[in-house]
Amino acid sequence: DAGITQSPRHKVTETGTPVTLRCHQTENHRYMYWYRQDPGHGLRLIHYSYGVKDTDKGEVSDGYSVSRSKTEDFLLTLESATSSQTSVYFCASTGTGAPRDYGYTFGSGTRLTVV
Amino acid sequence: GESVGLHLPTLSVQEGDNSIINCAYSNSASDYFIWYKQESGKGPQFIIDIRSNMDKRQGQRVTVLLNKTVKHLSLQIAATQPGDSAVYFCAEIFAGYKLSFGAGTTVTVRA
Repeated sequence: DAGITQSPRHKVTETGTPVTLRCHQTENHRYMYWYRQDPGHGLRLIHYSYGVKDTDKGEVSDGYSVSRSKTEDFLLTLESATSSQTSVYFCASTGTGAPRDYGYTFGSGTRLTVV
Repeated sequence: GESVGLHLPTLSVQEGDNSIINCAYSNSASDYFIWYKQESGKGPQFIIDIRSNMDKRQGQRVTVLLNKTVKHLSLQIAATQPGDSAVYFCAEIFAGYKLSFGAGTTVTVRA
């Protein structure tokens, strides 16, 4: 979807290194989310943001941190990457109101491999 | 073809038949429920939503049914086409904006 982009699309990194994934949206959406997707687990929420500088933990937040200094950008940082963090990461955003009107639009994903 | 609950991960359906994908949700306080379609290598794509105070909603070739008594959601796809082959997820929204997903059902359409 053109309204939300993720970068990079693919990344290979070494165990123990920090990694930052970027999500950028042009919809002026208030809410943004980071999910990871693994076989057999569907999409699991890592962190979410309900406004600039307002963030909270999801169900699998250990080892991840986030920052949102501008409405349009939501960064996910793996503080010290581990092999268990090899996954596909999706970002999403939405405004307020009915989902059909305001989004819950997803990016195309970042495939991260930790070796 | 029909799937049962979140624990039946696959559904095979003949082209032209109707598909029914089922989902059990956990949070009785959810505000909305959404069905997403995810094709290989892409992010989830919104199909249809339903508010918690409704029990049925129809879209183009799709119908979502909500049974709050048993916490059950279903997606019906009419006249299934090869382009409908994908993974389908149900998701629930609670506390206004928290979006939580089920495990997904892989639908394969047979020619």
